[in-house]
Amino acid sequence: QVQLVQSGAEVKKPGSSVKVSCKASGDTFSSYSISWVRQAPGQGLEWMGRIIPIFGSANYAQKFQGRVTITADESTYTAYMELTSLRSEDTAVYYCARGRLGWDAAFDIWGQGTMVTVSS
Amino acid sequence: EIVLTQSPGTLSLSPGERATLSCRASQSVSSSYLAWYQQKAGQAPRLLIYGASRRATGIPDRFSGSGSGTDFTLTISRLEPEDFAVYYCQQYGSSYLFGPGTKVDIK
Repeated sequence: QVQLVQSGAEVKKPGSSVKVSCKASGDTFSSYSISWVRQAPGQGLEWMGRIIPIFGSANYAQKFQGRVTITADESTYTAYMELTSLRSEDTAVYYCARGRLGWDAAFDIWGQGTMVTVSS
Repeated sequence: EIVLTQSPGTLSLSPGERATLSCRASQSVSSSYLAWYQQKAGQAPRLLIYGASRRATGIPDRFSGSGSGTDFTLTISRLEPEDFAVYYCQQYGSSYLFGPGTKVDIK
């Protein structure tokens, strides 16, 4: 069964960084893209960016350009999302989700989510 | 830049009733690259519909999607107790964008 398994909850101080991981199966890594989507408490879904692991190329939503870095480690089938200069508004559940190599597909598999709390 | 609007914000219905949810785009969505997701409290979203009208794997046939261009609809023919949740539409194809969601709650 295809799964995306994410790392555990994090509590961070304002101004620090957080790195969340998302472990996939081998065929997911070789044939799909991995996107990151966040959801602030009581709010909707917000796409942050994506990576195509076999190419290592990433695209980011304009809102997060310069503050987010998405990477992938092919040897462990793991994608990462690092968000820097954290502020209280970054408190959210962060999800990874599987898409296709192109932009022409919805997200068919989601990770379980990782809660990131930013608080002094 | 495309903006997605969903209506109503909240839909209060009883089990067995029909639910009709709307998603409107500010510009035409190319090739009907429009998806619908269901999200229950404390859970990740689940893909219901893609390509505006195609059900994802394992989705019951009481869920159906329709529309093209700028106007799309998700219909749940007869609400089951497990269908009370928040529903999001999503545009894809050049980037990804979600609508604000419609909450379907029990009347």
